[in-house]
Amino acid sequence: GAVVSQHPSRVICKSGTSVKIECRSLDFQATTMFWYRQFPKQSLMLMATSNEGSKATYEQGVEKDKFLINHASLTLSTLTVTSAHPEDSSFYICSARVQGAGANVLTFGAGSRLTVL
Amino acid sequence: AQSVTQLGSHVSVSEGALVLLRCNYSSSVPPYLFWYVQYPNQGLQLLLKYTSAATLVKGINGFEAEFKKSETSFHLTKPSAHMSDAAEYFCAVPSTSGGSYIPTFGRGTSLIVHP
Repeated sequence: GAVVSQHPSRVICKSGTSVKIECRSLDFQATTMFWYRQFPKQSLMLMATSNEGSKATYEQGVEKDKFLINHASLTLSTLTVTSAHPEDSSFYICSARVQGAGANVLTFGAGSRLTVL
Repeated sequence: AQSVTQLGSHVSVSEGALVLLRCNYSSSVPPYLFWYVQYPNQGLQLLLKYTSAATLVKGINGFEAEFKKSETSFHLTKPSAHMSDAAEYFCAVPSTSGGSYIPTFGRGTSLIVHP
């Protein structure tokens, strides 16, 4: 079946540094990928829609300059948290829609837990 | 915009007991409804989806959900809980974004299974 791979699964960084998270579709092409953020014991919040070859579409309230999204190929989207601060600590999950899966089903990556010290 | 409400942030059952996780949708009848499961420190996995083809939907791992328009509900059930069912469960409904449907998730219900 379709697999979405995220890397790294866990990352710890110092405040003020930038962190890049990769999201890859392993056996299918994804023209669109979605980035979610999840706080502890809470639901997923859609941050942005990543579109291959064009600019990402950000949800209201999400800082574009803080969360840089690049979707340079049909199998890779990256999320860069710039100048990270402790409040950016969270679980970030990417997903992609698999053609033919039907009913707008998304396939999710395993998530990346970011801890900013 | 469509939304879903999950009643109860935590549900605790004994192994072998019936599992019932509640989900109610808002406003008009949605074209689709989903249940996803999230195991600790992992992404989400689709359990089942409603597409209006049938009101009773069977999913993976013995779970099923019934769409009831009169109650605006899509509750998730499993006849007999197993320890491995302990996880976070999310109900979701599509919301339109940029011309396509994106799942909007409920707050989630944590299922705790006691031996």
